[in-house]
Amino acid sequence: KNQVEQSPQSLIILEGKNCTLQCNYTVSPFSNLRWYKQDTGRGPVSLTIMTFSENTKSNGRYTATLDADTKQSSLHITASQLSDSASYICVVSAGSNYQLIWGAGTKLIIKP
Amino acid sequence: DSGVTQTPKHLITATGQRVTLRCSPRSGDLSVYWYQQSLDQGLQFLIQYYNGEERAKGNILERFSAQQFPDLHSELNLSSLELGDSALYFCASSVKLGRGGDNEQFFGPGTRLTVL
Repeated sequence: KNQVEQSPQSLIILEGKNCTLQCNYTVSPFSNLRWYKQDTGRGPVSLTIMTFSENTKSNGRYTATLDADTKQSSLHITASQLSDSASYICVVSAGSNYQLIWGAGTKLIIKP
Repeated sequence: DSGVTQTPKHLITATGQRVTLRCSPRSGDLSVYWYQQSLDQGLQFLIQYYNGEERAKGNILERFSAQQFPDLHSELNLSSLELGDSALYFCASSVKLGRGGDNEQFFGPGTRLTVL
């Protein structure tokens, strides 16, 4: 069964600190993996996308990694800001019809 | 601003009623997706249309239906509403069917439905 699991479910850190969010997937065949940021009550916004051959991709203070062998991805946030408070969702595209498998998200809270 | 518009922004109705949510995709996007997000829950994919045709179905109830019109806007119809249907309903659009590593979904601001 195609699944995407994210950890932790929620995370609280102090402003300025770094953090890493995890995504494990059991999806086959794999097409690509995307990280979205969703502010409360708003639609998700894409942060990064990685295909099978890409190991890392950055978008400002956000850096995503992908290990296709272990089927794991991480999203590292550097020097967190209050505006980083949001849910971060891992989405894997799978199969010949590119079905999207959505993770439940990690809720990140940045405290001043 | 993603370029995807949704109306209305808020909707309050009673159990048993029927409502219609509307979505206009970004200019040039052919594919439209509908998602439901209950309070503090993840996004649940409901249905996808591409250029007027249904392409994929997710966890969509039989009481719900959708369509995409020739001008590419889409409507999601929810009938016989129950308390549990209260949620945020998002529409997203993309250029293609959802294929390819560079295809991205752009989300609208959502419609918040409250069923009393």
